[in-house]
Amino acid sequence: EAAVTQSPRNKVTVTGGNVTLSCRQTNSHNYMYWYRQDTGHGLRLIHYSYGAGNLQIGDVPDGYKATRTTQEDFFLLLELASPSQTSLYFCASSGTGYAEQFFGPGTRLTVL
Amino acid sequence: TQTVSQSDAHVTVFEGDSVELRCNYSYGGSIYLSWYIQHHGRGLQFLLKYYSGNPVVQGVNGFKAEFSKSDSSFHLRKASVHWSDSAVYFCAVRNSAGNKLTFGIGTRVLVRP
Repeated sequence: EAAVTQSPRNKVTVTGGNVTLSCRQTNSHNYMYWYRQDTGHGLRLIHYSYGAGNLQIGDVPDGYKATRTTQEDFFLLLELASPSQTSLYFCASSGTGYAEQFFGPGTRLTVL
Repeated sequence: TQTVSQSDAHVTVFEGDSVELRCNYSYGGSIYLSWYIQHHGRGLQFLLKYYSGNPVVQGVNGFKAEFSKSDSSFHLRKASVHWSDSAVYFCAVRNSAGNKLTFGIGTRVLVRP
């Protein structure tokens, strides 16, 4: 079964802080995604990747960077965190663009 | 640009009742629709998908959905709900390039005993 893990599960930082969210998948999937989930908005795509070294811009990329270091690992970086980035962040992976996505358990980020 | 509308933010049903969750989409390209479920405190899990063929698709745990091109809809149904079906349900549409999903805002279902 697909396994996607995220760390940390909870993070509190201050405005202007530097945050890195980590995601690892162990299914040899090519595609990986970062979403944020907010009440009234559902899930919104931040960045995604087709494979190691590849990065694609999502629908709400402002204020976020991402890096795919290996096929397994995808990182989301907030270099100057703002309160508007307080959210629940999900990572997902899929074998192809048309396959179902497997989601991690989420990281709750609070920016004070 | 694809959009997804889920008209009901909250649905409350009793255990054993049937439930229908509504999803309407707007997209001019090749259709690829799916439903996901999110239990409290968990990530999303795939339920079912439609991209061609029989417009009625069967998913896990007794869920099924029906695609209608004329209504631009992909409603999810279950004949008899269980308390464990309490969750948030998301409808999603994929773009023609096959690399992005657009999710609706979700419908929260509460199943009462």
